[in-house]
Amino acid sequence: SALTQPASVSGSPGQSITISCTGTSTDVGGYNLVSWYQQHPGRAPKLIIFEITKRPSGVSDRFSGSKSGNTASLTISGLQADDEADYFCFSYTEIGTSFVFGTGTKVSVL
Amino acid sequence: QVTLRESGPALVKPTQTLTLTCTFSGFSLTTSQMCVSWIRQPPGKALEWLARLDWDDDTHYSTSLRTRLTISKGTSKNQVVLTMTNMDPMDTATYYCARMPLGTYAHDSWGQGTLVTVSP
Repeated sequence: SALTQPASVSGSPGQSITISCTGTSTDVGGYNLVSWYQQHPGRAPKLIIFEITKRPSGVSDRFSGSKSGNTASLTISGLQADDEADYFCFSYTEIGTSFVFGTGTKVSVL
Repeated sequence: QVTLRESGPALVKPTQTLTLTCTFSGFSLTTSQMCVSWIRQPPGKALEWLARLDWDDDTHYSTSLRTRLTISKGTSKNQVVLTMTNMDPMDTATYYCARMPLGTYAHDSWGQGTLVTVSP
């Protein structure tokens, strides 16, 4: 089943926010294979973090990832207006040697 | 430059079979250990991973949709085809194809998506 994310997170410009992604030992907890995607309305998702902590070339270092147990986290520091978007986590799962997305989090910049 | 583009019918009827084609450029599926996934997103809802085709023709499917999906190479070497049988209005969604470099388990390039509506 889908990984669990908070439905919404908000912050003021310049602040830091953290989005959690909770799974189980068969997915998030068992493998360092969590990635994060940013999706603006009407647009395709964009990869911003892979393998828990790695950033693709060109992605701002304001985005960072971590993991503790069965929960992965995405932190956005120095929040900017353009960070307002939906964010999804994604992980390999050993169940069916398959993959699963998170439920998604809407980030609002106040 | 890596690009992917989805194509297929915008409207299908319930019980019909949907066939979508992903046409890509900028990488090879046969020689560069790349994979291509299909992912969908119902209007206003979360992303859902559907299937993946690997460079060596290995396939992986969503456990919940496995019986309805087939992913395969297209007639051209730069195409990946997804078929989904017994379509239902609940399958109305934007369907994306995306590239996944083998080993990263992350989709680094996406198509723009194609909206498929299931209606009588």
